[in-house]
Amino acid sequence: SQQGEEDPQALSIQEGENATMNCSYKTSINNLQWYRQNSGRGLVHLILIRSNEREKHSGRLRVTLDTSKKSSSLLITASRAADTASYFCAVCPGFQKLVFGTGTRLLVSP
Amino acid sequence: EAQVTQNPRYLITVTGKKLTVTCSQNMNHEYMSWYRQDPGLGLRQIYYSMNVEVTDKGDVPEGYKVSRKEKRNFPLILESPSPNQTSLYFCASSFRLAGELLGMFNEQFFGPGTRLTVL
Repeated sequence: SQQGEEDPQALSIQEGENATMNCSYKTSINNLQWYRQNSGRGLVHLILIRSNEREKHSGRLRVTLDTSKKSSSLLITASRAADTASYFCAVCPGFQKLVFGTGTRLLVSP
Repeated sequence: EAQVTQNPRYLITVTGKKLTVTCSQNMNHEYMSWYRQDPGLGLRQIYYSMNVEVTDKGDVPEGYKVSRKEKRNFPLILESPSPNQTSLYFCASSFRLAGELLGMFNEQFFGPGTRLTVL
């Protein structure tokens, strides 16, 4: 399967702490994307990183990509209770494919 | 407001009764997709479309049909729903970057979801 796999499956932290989620995949990719989903709602795009990029930032989010290890990480700094959600990586391995992982459930406690 | 809309948001039906879930986007996106989300399985692509009258199967197309007669609309049709199609369904759209190879999926804009129960 080309599916991205997130790790850990669940993460519980306190407000103010950093949260790190990882995504591993199996084939070469064109891009890798991270999404957030609040309980049963639509997914919201966070960051897209292309295969020739190593790091991208957006506000409190930092995404890294290591194509040699076929892995990516999403770091949320100074977490807030509002960051509580499920986070998914999605890999675009090429033509007409976008494959989602099963997600990491993040709980940020006040 | 740029958005993807889906209707209905909730639907309970019975086995074999044909239904259609509508999807519409107002961003003039070329690409549209349907996904289903099931616990422990993440999102799986059902069908996608790269432009009007161009559709193709995703990973789990059995039991579903789609059409793309207009750029903004991409309805999902279940001709004879079965209980294993009980799921949370999402429509999504995305743009094609100028000069990019056809079929490369960029940022997906998701609809709010349709929760379908087939009894």
